[in-house]
Amino acid sequence: GAGVSQSPRYKVAKRGQDVALRCDPISGHVSLFWYQQALGQGPEFLTYFQNEAQLDKSGLPSDRFFAERPEGSVSTLKIQRTQQEDSAVYLCASSAGGTGGLPLHFGNGTRLTVT
Amino acid sequence: TQLLEQSPQFLSIQEGENLTVYCNSSSVFSSLQWYRQEPGEGPVLLVTVVTGGEVKKLKRLTFQFGDARKDSSLHITAAQTGDTGLYLCAVPKPGYSTLTFGKGTMLLVSP
Repeated sequence: GAGVSQSPRYKVAKRGQDVALRCDPISGHVSLFWYQQALGQGPEFLTYFQNEAQLDKSGLPSDRFFAERPEGSVSTLKIQRTQQEDSAVYLCASSAGGTGGLPLHFGNGTRLTVT
Repeated sequence: TQLLEQSPQFLSIQEGENLTVYCNSSSVFSSLQWYRQEPGEGPVLLVTVVTGGEVKKLKRLTFQFGDARKDSSLHITAAQTGDTGLYLCAVPKPGYSTLTFGKGTMLLVSP
């Protein structure tokens, strides 16, 4: 596709459930980023991949969060044992630059609600 | 401590008015970006500024990077309802592996 695609658009999970969020970056983009955005706030960095290598995961809030990009294209963000504080929009972005080069192209996000 | 302070947090104006929003920091940056995010969508890049004192224009939007490369402003002339959205400034994290965003200014333009 022409842009970054994320699925699902909306996800409701009961507290304690595991969830998996998918990101299809722009074809050929080397860098992929995950951000978390609370309502009315700016995006907060979670993790960064260059191809299949996870080069920076300093923003992951706990060990319940795990991201992978096994073939250097599609990425999945997994959250285990979801908590209410995990409720947010999860944004994926990609860029052509091999060193996290800018600009970033964002998807429309997955809105996660934990009840 | 927030790396980037954006002000105001929220701005509600009538169509046709002018406005300025700010992005401030005590740190020096190699570049700064402005994004606009509409409800239910991801942020979209508006402009990148790299030189101290640089002014860039995008139709009715004027962006300025401070001389010391610590701050930036976005001025909108004759705002339209289509300008409604969350305006975010962002700077590269050292090593350029990611962007750090401010909390944004939410702009609401009413007809």
